[in-house]
Amino acid sequence: DAKTTQPPSMDCAEGRAANLPCNHSTISGNEYVYWYRQIHSQGPQYIIHGLKNNETNEMASLIITEDRKSSTLILPHATLRDTAVYYCIVGYDYKLSFGAGTTVTVRA
Amino acid sequence: DTAVSQTPKYLVTQMGNDKSIKCEQNLGHDTMYWYKQDSKKFLKIMFSYNNKELIINETVPNRFSPKSPDKAHLNLHINSLELGDSAVYFCASSQGTGLAGGQETQYFGPGTRLLVL
Repeated sequence: DAKTTQPPSMDCAEGRAANLPCNHSTISGNEYVYWYRQIHSQGPQYIIHGLKNNETNEMASLIITEDRKSSTLILPHATLRDTAVYYCIVGYDYKLSFGAGTTVTVRA
Repeated sequence: DTAVSQTPKYLVTQMGNDKSIKCEQNLGHDTMYWYKQDSKKFLKIMFSYNNKELIINETVPNRFSPKSPDKAHLNLHINSLELGDSAVYFCASSQGTGLAGGQETQYFGPGTRLLVL
């Protein structure tokens, strides 16, 4: 019952920007878009979230399309430590529903 | 200064046994959660507690019983363990429930890897 679609995997060069797409065409008006990541053998880590406007924090930027049917997570300068599974989640913060995510591999 | 801690980290046990996993958070949060991550890596919420009261129970078998002695602790007791219970169990916490439309970041523990033989 995942509400999001993400590519299963992608590679990125160290030092370059990584753009992670997510489709959420059935998003409802008051649902948020959240991004978490899970580094191997660790618990998920919050990255960023947004409702309508683009958001930026010290980790990443979130670009949400005007119709809210898709979004992109941008890691501005990927490092080897950013290798992880990235989850795009649509819904409410008290009930996160994780999908399969995108496995991002940052290569030197 | 671990924010969310879980014990044990690994748990190997026989089918039919009863076991408990403990979770503690030192963030002063009011809400705690249990998630299960299966072999396909899908992470699913099991329970959510706010101020020691159950607020979410996602159709989890009765063999799983969460207990919150105080808002800093949420333990998970599992009776009559089955092979299908093998998974990684993650505890998480957040400041509030988000039920009022808030935006609560969840902080996850390191996970407990349960293997039922």
